[in-house]
Amino acid sequence: GQQLNQSPQSMFIQEGEDVSMNCTSSSIFNTWLWYKQDPGEGPVLLIALYKAGELTSNGRLTAQFGITRKDSFLNISASIPSDVGIYFCAGRRIQGAQKLVFGQGTRLTINP
Amino acid sequence: GAGVSQTPSNKVTEKGKYVELRCDPISGHTALYWYRQSLGQGPEFLIYFQGTGAADDSGLPNDRFFAVRPEGSVSTLKIQRTERGDSAVYLCASSLNPPSGGETQYFGPGTRLLVL
Repeated sequence: GQQLNQSPQSMFIQEGEDVSMNCTSSSIFNTWLWYKQDPGEGPVLLIALYKAGELTSNGRLTAQFGITRKDSFLNISASIPSDVGIYFCAGRRIQGAQKLVFGQGTRLTINP
Repeated sequence: GAGVSQTPSNKVTEKGKYVELRCDPISGHTALYWYRQSLGQGPEFLIYFQGTGAADDSGLPNDRFFAVRPEGSVSTLKIQRTERGDSAVYLCASSLNPPSGGETQYFGPGTRLLVL
């Protein structure tokens, strides 16, 4: 079953607003990743984080690897219509492990 | 270049039937992964291949599920005696040789399996 708790489950915002979502775990994770999934497609990697405390940006997206290694957040600034979709956090628990553990997803809807 | 491709894109079958789902990874990627995504959930890991061998099959739910990758490229996920609970999107991903575990996994569009 899922080991990552992602919140909120859904968001309804106005175009131009900033968005924030987060992911927590009861276990330490070695790597945190954020993916976006569009309908009928597979997840696409947005940002990867490898060190506790790391803050990384990709355009209007910013993500951080929590100091405790048990959480991560993703911020999207000045949202635009193409940001609509489902965002997933994912992580690797063990150094060198390949399998990813995913959160339940945050569905983002934007009102123009 | 071409991404990960999966066939069929949709599969409808009856309970108890056998199905095969195919994945063509990105050329040159030695690692291949299968995940299952139920409606409203995130993907769940099933199995990981490094080359031809299954390096981690800890996510396969039971012995009705089996996957092969005989030549280290294309992989087939096989499900015997399908049950309604097997209905989900089956995602395949591939990555370059991941000696350190940090390689990006590129996902295909998935096969939507519906078991009636």
